[in-house]
Formats: sequence, structure tokens, C-alpha cells
Amino acid sequence: QQQVKQSPQSLIVQKGGISIINCAYENTAFDYFPWYQQFPGKGPALLIAIRPDVSEKKEGRFTISFNKSAKQFSLHIMDSQPGDSATYFCAASKGGSQGNLIFGKGTKLSVKP
Amino acid sequence: DAGVIQSPRHEVTEMGQEVTLRCKPISGHNSLFWYRQTMMRGLELLIYFNNNVPIDDSGMPEDRFSAKMPNASFSTLKIQPSEPRDSAVYFCASRFGGADEQFFGPGTRLTVL
Repeated sequence: QQQVKQSPQSLIVQKGGISIINCAYENTAFDYFPWYQQFPGKGPALLIAIRPDVSEKKEGRFTISFNKSAKQFSLHIMDSQPGDSATYFCAASKGGSQGNLIFGKGTKLSVKP
Repeated sequence: DAGVIQSPRHEVTEMGQEVTLRCKPISGHNSLFWYRQTMMRGLELLIYFNNNVPIDDSGMPEDRFSAKMPNASFSTLKIQPSEPRDSAVYFCASRFGGADEQFFGPGTRLTVL
């Protein structure tokens, strides 16, 4: 049973465009929602995270939008750059950031110059 | 800061052989995680240690897999006997105390022929 569903599997965006990746979760006990970024040959690295007490969190060009009633959250990358080309994973856990992370299957983003 | 160190980076072995993957967490981190990444199943948590004690091993696929953490600076994941379906990238991650972020190592790419 997949507890975190991520879409799309792959995404191609032109430089300067907006990249949007969506995730949906099933377990209402989840209370921590991070996004990880992975470059080829590297391990994932934390990009940005949100807790359900806020509906949006922004860090630079990266924004998480969170809809608790719909059990959905999304990553928006504004002014996408070729250097943003990577695989992005959403995740969720219960017990805050101390809980075990359940990852989505990832979205491979390609930003074309 | 050397980050999480994993060895070997690549391992090619034949079915039936024993495989040992190694991880050195970031100094001072007291939580350690082993993940497996495949195209089909994405990133899956195998086992989680806190203060060298296994807390959750529900993700370990079967008895062929075992993990140990004899001290705060070293952990092993062993597969015996290995099978072709074990081929994957295995990541180790560590986390400090109550912090949010898990820091991932570069991974070990395992190929079982």
C-alpha cells in the first residue's frame, strides 16, 4: 500500500518556467512533510519541509503548498533553472520530523535552457 | 565535515554470495537509517537505529538481510545469501537528536548477477 503518491513521474520545463510537483497522502496522522532533492549519483538532500499548521512555506524560489483537507501538498519551483534538474521526492511522517519518512516515488525534473 | 560515508560505492557480486555494506554516520548524530532505492519501489526504509539500538526493522525484506550498529560511528547492512532482486542503491542516512533533517550518504550501488 503506497501511503504517499507523487505525480508526475517526469517533468520537462523551460528555463524560467514554473515547475509543479504534487503529492497526496492517506494517513491523517502524518504531521511532517519534507521535500528531498537528489542529483544523479548522490544521496537525497532536504530541500524544504512543512508542518500542517501552515498552508504555505517559501524558501527562495521553492514553495510548498499544503492542503490539509484534501490531504495534498505540492512543490512549486519558480523561475526554474537548468541547475534545478534533479529528482524530487516528497515524503511524510508521523511523530514530526522524528518519525520514519515514507517517500513518494519521485519526479525527475528536466529544465531546458 | 565529511558527511555520511558509505563503502563500497559499487559492488558487483554473484547470486548466493554474502554482501556487506558499511556506513559511517556524521559525528554526533545519534539516529541512523538504511534505505533501499529501486526504480519500481522508490526509496524504502529498511531499518532505523537510535543510539545504536534498532528501533524499527519492519522494512527489512526477509531474514537474508541483517543490520548492526556496534557503536555510534559504524553500521553494517549484510545480505546473505544475495539474490538478483536485491540489486539496488542502498543509502545510509543519519540525523542529530531532535533535528529535522536526515543527511544521506552517496549510496552503494549493488548489482547481484
